Amino acid sequence: GAGVSQSPRYKVAKRGQDVALRCDPISGHVSLFWYQQALGQGPEFLTYFQNEAQLDKSGLPSDRFFAERPEGSVSTLKIQRTQQEDSAVYLCASSSPVKDISSSPLHFGNGTRLTVT
Amino acid sequence: DQQVKQNSPSLSVQEGRISILNCDYTNSMFDYFLWYKKYPAEGPTFLISISSIKDKNEDGRFTVFLNKSAKHLSLHIVPSQPGDSAVYFCAASYGSWGKFQFGAGTQVVVTP
Repeated sequence: GAGVSQSPRYKVAKRGQDVALRCDPISGHVSLFWYQQALGQGPEFLTYFQNEAQLDKSGLPSDRFFAERPEGSVSTLKIQRTQQEDSAVYLCASSSPVKDISSSPLHFGNGTRLTVT
Repeated sequence: DQQVKQNSPSLSVQEGRISILNCDYTNSMFDYFLWYKKYPAEGPTFLISISSIKDKNEDGRFTVFLNKSAKHLSLHIVPSQPGDSAVYFCAASYGSWGKFQFGAGTQVVVTP
């Protein structure tokens, strides 16, 4: 079946603009994660949903970052008043909520590359 | 606070030889470790995992070793193939499934 789909693939925003990044997880995956990957670094956890409930948002860097998943499927990551330090690749991942990771690792999308000028 | 470290940013290996990638961690609470592989402009792809109750896990050409006393993880790829050229990330988690801490990655180049 289809993998995790993210759109847009690339986004250029002027400093101060708001942006919205979309994630379509794998069908049936109840867990959804957002990660931020800066250039030359590994992904860093932002937030986690189980169905529509946001269970962990400890990684969101500021109150300008907001994520939602209102119907438990598609998720949107919104960044308000973008700053240059927000420039990064934003990765979405989904998984089944089982503990046996050999059968349910995180499946990542190809990411959205955000450039703030 | 970087709790997972990959100290070698790059590795070059000849086709057919062994690739050894290393990863160190500082948090003794980590109970699952994973390796992901990433090609340019794509998301990371799960490669292999190991639980903290094991010291070795093997899947085809890929073997992961865990040394808990040294807080050290390694990935062996034997034999290395040109298609293995990618960035490899190690990741660790405890407690909250899916909330991983990733290393900065190691770029592997397999030469003919």
